[in-house]
Amino acid sequence: KAGVTQTPRYLIKTRGQQVTLSCSPISGHRSVSWYQQTPGQGLQFLFEYFSETQRNKGNFPGRFSGRQFSNSRSEMNVSTLELGDSALYLCASSPVGRTNTGELFFGEGSRLTVL
Amino acid sequence: SQQGEEDPQALSIQEGENATMNCSYKTSINNLQWYRQNSGRGLVHLILIRSNEREKHSGRLRVTLDTSKKSSSLLITASRAADTASYFCATGGQGGSEKLVFGKGTKLTVNP
Repeated sequence: KAGVTQTPRYLIKTRGQQVTLSCSPISGHRSVSWYQQTPGQGLQFLFEYFSETQRNKGNFPGRFSGRQFSNSRSEMNVSTLELGDSALYLCASSPVGRTNTGELFFGEGSRLTVL
Repeated sequence: SQQGEEDPQALSIQEGENATMNCSYKTSINNLQWYRQNSGRGLVHLILIRSNEREKHSGRLRVTLDTSKKSSSLLITASRAADTASYFCATGGQGGSEKLVFGKGTKLTVNP
């Protein structure tokens, strides 16, 4: 099985711009969650989606949004970028139901640099 | 806020030695997981221990959990240079949610 795929892997934006990151979960996984990783704050939960519905949201401003499509693929968007948004954005997927072991499967991340 | 706090923040050892990392958490849990992250890459799940378990083994990994002290430890035996990475504990995943709360991690360096 292919792993979790995140695109793009690296991107550079300037303040005020917006960015969209994409995540394709492992085939058959219907739950997708997003995390932001920075040196200062560590790994922080952004949001979680299941069946195109947001199940949980972390403590981030409204500039951070996401969605999930019917094929379980997910996107997250950050508008009006700030320097502090520079981070590694990680997507994780997991199966739901009896096959759910509690383990999350992470992609390699999208490294965003805001100048 | 961080649920787990790893200790030490950084650890440097020689190949063949054992590495022990500790994690403390604040609230009651259903399970605790450990993940590894190679520099700037994605996280890889290592092991999950449930709240009713006290110890679990997987290959060269040994995890213990003490719910009375709200702490866990990860032991890597006979370390290899390839074990060089950051290690994170994570709690959560309760009530059908996949939200995990991670500690700040221990950066392990294994010198050849």
